[in-house]
Amino acid sequence: EAGVAQSPRYKIIEKRQSVAFWCNPISGHATLYWYQQILGQGPKLLIQFQNNGVVDDSQLPKDRFSAERLKGVDSTLKIQPAKLEDSAVYLCASSLQRNTEAFFGQGTRLTVV
Amino acid sequence: QQQVKQSPQSLIVQKGGISIINCAYENTAFDYFPWYQQFPGKGPALLIAIRPDVSEKKEGRFTISFNKSAKQFSLHIMDSQPGDSATYFCAASSVGNEKLTFGTGTRLTIIP
Repeated sequence: EAGVAQSPRYKIIEKRQSVAFWCNPISGHATLYWYQQILGQGPKLLIQFQNNGVVDDSQLPKDRFSAERLKGVDSTLKIQPAKLEDSAVYLCASSLQRNTEAFFGQGTRLTVV
Repeated sequence: QQQVKQSPQSLIVQKGGISIINCAYENTAFDYFPWYQQFPGKGPALLIAIRPDVSEKKEGRFTISFNKSAKQFSLHIMDSQPGDSATYFCAASSVGNEKLTFGTGTRLTIIP
């Protein structure tokens, strides 16, 4: 079974630029999550999708972050404009349904300079 | 109330010893407590999980102990091996709000 795929693996941008991350969840997984993991901290949920609908985006900084999950499969997370404090690993995870085990991708390491 | 507090921040254990990591939570609505293992450059991977209807769960060398009244749970790694060297995160979630709230992580190093 293929795992959660994310790209790119690494991205370096200047502050105020925009960036987008892509996630392909495990086939058949209805629930998709985006987490932000700052160095030395545990992952923090940014947004949760159930199919293509948003379940929880309470911790998503909506003035600069946006996410979509078209057709209930792939998802993109965008930051515009980026700030220095956005430097982190962005993890995508998926689960078969809500309240089942979440599988994480390898993440995208973003450095904002 | 959503916090999960994890300790210690780092831990060094000799090969063959027992590694113990502790977590405490405040939200009594939490009813699912997983532990994740993360290697450098990788995403977290589920190691073992427990629900509050049992006080202990064992899978191989890994055991979760759960104390509902104290709102604490811990991970024990028996016969620790160098391959166990990783960062471990406890987490918690609840039915109806299943987003995982993670602890701050413990960097475990197993020395020969």
